[in-house]
Amino acid sequence: SQQGEEDPQALSIQEGENATMNCSYKTSINNLQWYRQNSGRGLVHLILIRSNEREKHSGRLRVTPDTSKKSSSLLITASRAADTASYFCATDPTTGANSKLTFGKGITLSVRP
Amino acid sequence: DGGITQSPKYLFRKEGQNVTLSCEQNLNHDAMYWYRQDPGQGLRLIYYSQIVNDFQKGDIAEGYSVSREKKESFPLTVTSAQKNPTAFYLCASSRDVYGQETQYFGPGTRLLVL
Repeated sequence: SQQGEEDPQALSIQEGENATMNCSYKTSINNLQWYRQNSGRGLVHLILIRSNEREKHSGRLRVTPDTSKKSSSLLITASRAADTASYFCATDPTTGANSKLTFGKGITLSVRP
Repeated sequence: DGGITQSPKYLFRKEGQNVTLSCEQNLNHDAMYWYRQDPGQGLRLIYYSQIVNDFQKGDIAEGYSVSREKKESFPLTVTSAQKNPTAFYLCASSRDVYGQETQYFGPGTRLLVL
């Protein structure tokens, strides 16, 4: 079963607007990562946030966790048409030896020029 | 140029045929992975390898086989036992198999059935 689930499944915004995507998970995690996938391509790592971090920034990206709700949000500010892609969260659960990343189903972001 | 390469980009399989997808990395990573991606289902782990000559089944290993004879290479064979092989296959690598490591992905191979 999927550990991380993204919300919404699809998001369409105008260029210049902010895009907010959420990832929720069922069990405690060590860290959460966000990846981006352009159509027909491989995934590219965007940002990693550890369970003890309150917020993480990388350029126009901001990740804010809410451990009480077992969720984390990815904010892309001042979106561009080139941000159009699918975005996946990947979680690293604390339970079990050799825990591995588990990917969600992804969010399709469309940025209209 | 460091990274992961996958070949071919497109692969066609006939009924009852085994096909092999190639994955090579020059990042000196110990861990390598194979994922299957279907529309609307995200990534599902097929097999992973933590070290040379060792590999483990993922969530959907049935109908697939792998080998890890060299650190750089992790080929995936889609056997005739896999009845629904049409999908996008992604190979990835990381420094080790633990979840805190970033995974680096190849460009993918799209497998189609004739």
